[in-house]
Amino acid sequence: ETGVTQTPRHLVMGMTNKKSLKCEQHLGHNAMYWYKQSAKKPLELMFVYNFKEQTENNSVPSRFSPECPNSSHLFLHLHTLQPEDSALYLCASSQGPVGYGYTFGSGTRLTVV
Amino acid sequence: GENVEQHPSTLSVQEGDSAVIKCTYSDSASNYFPWYKQELGKGPQLIIDIRSNVGEKKDQRIAVTLNKTAKHFSLHITETQPEDSAVYFCAASRDTGNQFYFGTGTSLTVIP
Repeated sequence: ETGVTQTPRHLVMGMTNKKSLKCEQHLGHNAMYWYKQSAKKPLELMFVYNFKEQTENNSVPSRFSPECPNSSHLFLHLHTLQPEDSALYLCASSQGPVGYGYTFGSGTRLTVV
Repeated sequence: GENVEQHPSTLSVQEGDSAVIKCTYSDSASNYFPWYKQELGKGPQLIIDIRSNVGEKKDQRIAVTLNKTAKHFSLHITETQPEDSAVYFCAASRDTGNQFYFGTGTSLTVIP
């Protein structure tokens, strides 16, 4: 266990469903991140939160909606996804900038049917 | 922005041999270079990192070298073992920033 917990581990959803991914960190970090990992592509940063405030949104489609109620919890709300959104979604946290204690969760394997 | 290239994409070695993975980066302002190992069903885990003020760092069987002039850095694994089999990612960033730029990964297989 890395200290960053993601649930669920696997998720299959239809294109008209609404679902949410959850991430919780127990490391006392103040920054949290969502990444998308697709086969044969570099990890893609989606969103960054520092002290609950969103500081980065890397041109992510609006069908992905993040929520960060506090520094320990991060959600990714999903609606009307496309099959190409199937991927491993990784959460990470850090103590400030990336050079310090950057830790990934185990990810949620999402399949859109 | 930063562009990180990683080679090879797949690598097979015999147990006990060495493995080398290479990365190049484009942004001369990048100064922090971590390497991550991702095993099946798990998220990436940091195995070693290097900052731009040093040229080499070792941790047991793992070493990383950095050539700032040429903008490339490499991961060296010696005396490979089957449990080293995984996907390895390099990354580059400015250590005051909040974003990593990752390579595309190298799938390493160690053959017993």
